[in-house]
Amino acid sequence: EAGVVQSPRYKIIEKKQPVAFWCNPISGHNTLYWYLQNLGQGPELLIRYENEEAVDDSQLPKDRFSAERLKGVDSTLKIQPAELGDSAVYLCASSLDMRTEAFFGQGTRLTVV
Amino acid sequence: DAKTTQPPSMDCAEGRAANLPCNHSTISGNEYVYWYRQIHSQGPQYIIHGLKNNETNEMASLIITEDRKSSTLILPHATLRDTAVYYCIVRSAGGGADGLTFGKGTHLIIQP
Repeated sequence: EAGVVQSPRYKIIEKKQPVAFWCNPISGHNTLYWYLQNLGQGPELLIRYENEEAVDDSQLPKDRFSAERLKGVDSTLKIQPAELGDSAVYLCASSLDMRTEAFFGQGTRLTVV
Repeated sequence: DAKTTQPPSMDCAEGRAANLPCNHSTISGNEYVYWYRQIHSQGPQYIIHGLKNNETNEMASLIITEDRKSSTLILPHATLRDTAVYYCIVRSAGGGADGLTFGKGTHLIIQP
């Protein structure tokens, strides 16, 4: 069974440029999460979806970050414009529902130069 | 604010049992204890979770104290591949369940 798939695996961009990350959750999983992980820290939740509805986006910096989950399956996370401080690993996770264990993808390592 | 307290690092000899402690003294009745681990350059991996009874699966055992204020994750026969950061997480299982809140975890180093 395929796990959570994220792409790209690595991305290097110049500051002020836009960037997008893509996530394909495990088939049948209704809940999808985006996390940000800075070096040496644990992952921090950015946004959580139940199907196509964002039910918790309180930690998403909405001035430059946006996310969507069309049709309640795949999801994209966008940053526009990127800043140097956005360099981090962006993790996607999914679970059957909001009460069950979440499974994580490999993450996208973003470097903003 | 973190709901759990873990030692920042631990060592364990290969082949021995690794016992990772976690303190969650403010846990409430409907909150589960989850354990994840993160091997370098990979996403976190689910290990096990429990409410109040001890749990065991193919990866590990979870021992929760009777007052539920602390727990121990046990890797019965640690191998070099178990070197990772281990996160203990308290999470509500109710209708308003939130996302997993990670702390800094314990960096477990398995020594050959």
